[in-house]
Formats: sequence, C-alpha cells, structure tokens
Amino acid sequence: GESVGLHLPTLSVQEGDNSIINCAYSNSASDYFIWYKQESGKGPQFIIDIRSNMDKRQGQRVTVLLNKTVKHLSLQIAATQPGDSAVYFCAENMGTSGTYKYIFGTGTRLKVLA
Amino acid sequence: GAVVSQHPSRVICKSGTSVKIECRSLDFQATTMFWYRQFPKKSLMLMATSNEGSKATYEQGVEKDKFLINHASLTLSTLTVTSAHPEDSSFYICSANLVSFGTQYFGPGTRLLVL
Repeated sequence: GESVGLHLPTLSVQEGDNSIINCAYSNSASDYFIWYKQESGKGPQFIIDIRSNMDKRQGQRVTVLLNKTVKHLSLQIAATQPGDSAVYFCAENMGTSGTYKYIFGTGTRLKVLA
Repeated sequence: GAVVSQHPSRVICKSGTSVKIECRSLDFQATTMFWYRQFPKKSLMLMATSNEGSKATYEQGVEKDKFLINHASLTLSTLTVTSAHPEDSSFYICSANLVSFGTQYFGPGTRLLVL
C-alpha cells in the first residue's frame, strides 16, 4: 500500500553540527511534501514544504531535498541548536486524489548534544 | 496567520462517558479539517476527513459511531469520543488546510485519559 516510511531512528547530533533526516516514500504520484517538527506534548509544526516540480528548497537554516527517481526526501538543518530537539515527520500529499489528505512517516527523533 | 486551536488541551474522564473535542481555525476558513490520533512515540494516524456541511470521511478501521465528527461551520469541527474506554486514551490532533490543496496546519492537540 501507499506509505511514507521512516524506520524510527534517534539521530544524535552535536550542537553546531549539521543534521540530515531522511525519508522514503512509496507513492510516485505524490506531488507535495512537508516536513513537520513535533515537540513533546504539542501538535506538529510546519517547517518547510516542496512540490514535486522542484528538487531543492531552502528556508532559514533548513533545506529540503527531493529525489523523485528514488522517492527520497531529506531535511537538512544547519548549525543544529538545542531548540531543534524534537521528532521530525515527513508527510506526502497526493493532491490528485481530491482528498488532500496527508500520509505521515513514522518520524525521527533528533537529539542535540551540548 | 493559519492558527488552529483545540479545546480542551487535556481531559480526564470516566469509562463510559463521552468527550467532545473542538478544533477551530482562528484566522482562516477551512472547508476541510482532519482528525488524527497519536500514540506515544508513534506517528500520526489519520482518523477522518471532516468536510464542512457534509459527512466526514473515515479511514479504514475507524468506527464512525465511536468517533463522531461534526463540521458545522467553516471554522469549527468537533470530535466526540462516545462511550469512552481506557483504550481510547490517546493524543488527538486536528488540522486544517489553508486552501483546498496546500499546507496543513495543526492544532496543539488534546490529551485524553479515560479511567
């Protein structure tokens, strides 16, 4: 079936280093992707999005890369800070489905070490 | 902009009672809202898509009579957990699309504990 998959890992990164979080998706028809950050006990927070007609998009300290050939998505966080510690989810949307619903990956916990 | 609120943020109830959770889009109109359930250290599981003025669309395996959804206006959707049991204890999160196809913004979530 359709899925956005992450084997839930915990990524530990030294403060100041760059972080790379990966996500694989299986639905080649998906045309819109979002990365969310979720802190404990809170709802997901939008970080950055990318449409399928792009392969890279940059935000403030974050970059999303999309490789449609291998159906892979990554989130890069530059100069990781303690406040970046959270669980990160990728989500895909198949807009052509008409429902605009999103499928979420399993998440990656990012731990920033001081 | 694009703020979504939920109420209550936490609720504890006795087994057998019903609990209503509200989801509001504060500064935009949302024709479609979504309800998710999240278990500890797990991803978000879509329960249903709530459409203003029509019946909700439930995901496979989600009991529509158990989880009643009402989307009476463009800014409010409610989820009622009927005859709650301890296994219904979870973190419930709603979201809304700013436009029909686009970024989904999430509420802060409601933690339900059924005793």
